Amino acid sequence: NAGVMQNPRHLVRRRGQEARLRCSPMKGHSHVYWYRQLPEEGLKFMVYLQKENIIDESGMPKERFSAEFPKEGPSILRIQQVVRGDSAAYFCASSPSQGAREQYFGPGTRLTVT
Amino acid sequence: GNSVTQMEGPVTLSEEAFLTINCTYTATGYPSLFWYVQYPGEGLQLLLKATKADDKGSNKGFEATYRKETTSFHLEKGSVQVSDSAVYFCALTPSFGNEKLTFGTGTRLTIIP
Repeated sequence: NAGVMQNPRHLVRRRGQEARLRCSPMKGHSHVYWYRQLPEEGLKFMVYLQKENIIDESGMPKERFSAEFPKEGPSILRIQQVVRGDSAAYFCASSPSQGAREQYFGPGTRLTVT
Repeated sequence: GNSVTQMEGPVTLSEEAFLTINCTYTATGYPSLFWYVQYPGEGLQLLLKATKADDKGSNKGFEATYRKETTSFHLEKGSVQVSDSAVYFCALTPSFGNEKLTFGTGTRLTIIP
């Protein structure tokens, strides 16, 4: 059973470009979480999604950031007009159901904004 | 809101030394508690967990006990190895509502041969 897949693993964008990060949850998992890890810091929750629904986006910056988890295909975290402060590692996690209390993490996407 | 405070790092130990990494939390009700480990350049792996008071999570020689009275979940290992060098994160999920994890800032552990 494949684990959580994220791509790309490394992404370099110039200021003002768009960054699109993808996450495929583990087979059978319908809950996806995105976290951001700034250099030398812990992970901070961004958004929690189920298929076609955003459940909690309390950790998402109000502008430029959006997330989706369509009925078919991976979850996408989109960052428009990137700035240097967006440089971080973005991790996706999945769980099989609410109340499972155990999330499985992907390897992360390391975004560098030049 | 919920928060996790863990021991500042970095921590450097000799091989076979005893390890303790302190973790305390603030949360309402009965959260679930976790330790995650992150090896260089990789994502997080669940190391161990405990879902109710007095539970002991254990894995790979690591242990942590859920102490409700002191709101703590300290990580311990009796004899560390070089391969244990990593960053360790304490985390919790709330006892109700959605399951987003709240993390501590992480403790970088380096084991010297």
